Amino acid sequence: NAGVTQTPKFRILKIGQSMTLQCTQDMNHNYMYWYRQDPGMGLKLIYYSVGAGITDKGEVPNGYNVSRSTTEDFPLRLELAAPSQTSVYFCASTKVRLAGSYEQYFGPGTRLTVT
Amino acid sequence: GQQLNQSPQSMFIQEGEDVSMNCTSSSIFNTWLWYKQDPGEGPVLLIALYKAGELTSNGRLTAQFGITRKDSFLNISASIPSDVGIYFCAGQWESGGGADGLTFGKGTHLIIQP
Repeated sequence: NAGVTQTPKFRILKIGQSMTLQCTQDMNHNYMYWYRQDPGMGLKLIYYSVGAGITDKGEVPNGYNVSRSTTEDFPLRLELAAPSQTSVYFCASTKVRLAGSYEQYFGPGTRLTVT
Repeated sequence: GQQLNQSPQSMFIQEGEDVSMNCTSSSIFNTWLWYKQDPGEGPVLLIALYKAGELTSNGRLTAQFGITRKDSFLNISASIPSDVGIYFCAGQWESGGGADGLTFGKGTHLIIQP
């Protein structure tokens, strides 16, 4: 298993440009998540999905969109990039252990700079 | 929203020393997780805790889920150079039947002097 993979690893965008961050997992996990990590901070949840066709907002969803057409893929879309979106983005998926208990596994991250 | 206070913010220790860090929350959690993040990498799961009072070990690492469900600690015994990194606690409260995301602490930066 490759686990959770993310592309690209690095990207520089100009203000107002758009892009899609790709995330794929090969563990057949139903639940997937997008987080952002700002310098010296923990991770904050942007969006999550509990299965194909179902998405929901997290703590910081403004400026982002997601879709979940397959179990494996959970892309994150930035439509009008702003400097405040400069961050490291992590995708994660969850292995369900017990009802109400979840272990999340993370990808290597995408480092995005908006200038 | 839920807040996690993780301490200490950073630790400078000698190789071979034991390490202790903790997290406290204003809310209760169903699950506590401890992650380690190396520079330029994603967080890697170290230990997962599911029941209040649970004490779990993973090699030199030991973590406990507090009885009140509002705190957790992580101990590392006999530290070695590869223990260097940032350690994050994370809590999860599943509400409404959905798999809500994790709430993260701000991390403890562990630096080991040989």
